[in-house]
Amino acid sequence: SQKIEQNSEALNIQEGKTATLTCNYTNYSPAYLQWYRQDPGRGPVFLLLIRENEKEKRKERLKVTFDTTLKQSLFHITASQPADSATYLCALPYGGSQGNLIFGKGTKLSVKP
Amino acid sequence: EAGVVQSPRYKIIEKKQPVAFWCNPISGHNTLYWYLQNLGQGPELLIRYENEEAVDDSQLPKDRFSAERLKGVDSTLKIQPAELGDSAVYLCASSLGSATDTQYFGPGTRLTVL
Repeated sequence: SQKIEQNSEALNIQEGKTATLTCNYTNYSPAYLQWYRQDPGRGPVFLLLIRENEKEKRKERLKVTFDTTLKQSLFHITASQPADSATYLCALPYGGSQGNLIFGKGTKLSVKP
Repeated sequence: EAGVVQSPRYKIIEKKQPVAFWCNPISGHNTLYWYLQNLGQGPELLIRYENEEAVDDSQLPKDRFSAERLKGVDSTLKIQPAELGDSAVYLCASSLGSATDTQYFGPGTRLTVL
């Protein structure tokens, strides 16, 4: 079965630096991969989707890469701000139904001023 | 436009009691999901509906959990009887329907079973 590993439970960085979060999967390469943000007491919020034929996707200060050879996605936040502090989850489809997502445990990012 | 609405936001019950959670998805969203999220973990899918049909309930513990989505809009998730291990956040999400459509999550219901 598909497994997802996110590199660390917590990541602490200084404001203005680039945060890099890692998502590794162990089995088949999915057709796409998604990243979500979750704040305490709230549900996850969709950020970006990257497809298997896309190497990179950008949205404002966010950048996602997808390497099907390494079975890895990297999520970057440039010029990080304290407001970026949250838990970031990667998710990918599994099973016969492409509509179902399996989520990683998430990485809790803390950006210090 | 209103997002996904869930109620209640918090629920505390004693073990062996029944409990129900309600979800109102975004208008026009055909697909509805119920997830369970334990502390420090990602959401885990319990059941997925396409309109009023449960198309994937393979992860739903059917001995005590049940769900329904009458008329293909609102949905209710029930646990009867609740066990201590059911303490978690229950999230509802909805999407337009195709595989890559964004899932929009509600705030969740935090259940504590004493």
